[in-house]
Amino acid sequence: KAGVTQTPRYLIKTRGQQVTLSCSPISGHRSVSWYQQTPGQGLQFLFEYFSETQRNKGNFPGRFSGRQFSNSRSEMNVSTLELGDSALYLCASSLRDSKNEKLFFGSGTQLSVL
Amino acid sequence: AQKITQTQPGMFVQEKEAVTLDCTYDTSDQSYGLFWYKQPSSGEMIFLIYQGSYDEQNATEGRYSLNFQKARKSANLVISASQLGDSAMYFCAIRANDYKLSFGAGTTVTVRA
Repeated sequence: KAGVTQTPRYLIKTRGQQVTLSCSPISGHRSVSWYQQTPGQGLQFLFEYFSETQRNKGNFPGRFSGRQFSNSRSEMNVSTLELGDSALYLCASSLRDSKNEKLFFGSGTQLSVL
Repeated sequence: AQKITQTQPGMFVQEKEAVTLDCTYDTSDQSYGLFWYKQPSSGEMIFLIYQGSYDEQNATEGRYSLNFQKARKSANLVISASQLGDSAMYFCAIRANDYKLSFGAGTTVTVRA
């Protein structure tokens, strides 16, 4: 069974640009969540989707947005990139809508903003 | 809001020995899940073990076991028979009524041959 797939693996952008990251969950998983990891702030929750609905959102500016498609694949978009957006973005999926459900992560997308 | 505290920034362990990674948590929710993840230098976050707040037995997954002490709000990870491939960053996390995972700062484990 394939794991969580994130594309691309690496991205280099310049300030002011926008970027879209993709996440394909494990087959059958309906919940997808996104996390940002930086050396200074650690791992921070961005948002979570279940059945195409955003259920929860972290404390990030409106430049960060996401969506989930009917096949559970999810995309995350960051507009007007800033240097501080440089981070590893991790996507996780779980089977059901439950806080006790195990979350499985992808390898992440390393975003560098120059 | 949930909070995870990992007080050990880094640890060294000899190959084949056991190591205990500390994790304490804070939550006002009665029902929650505790997770441990391993992150090697490649960046992928690998699920290791899960403990539910109502589980009476400590969770075990192969060489990983979780020492769950609910009254002390402690969820320490024990890695037995350490291997060189265990060298990585280890994160403790909690998931409660807000459904998001809240992570600790992590502990770097270095296994020496």
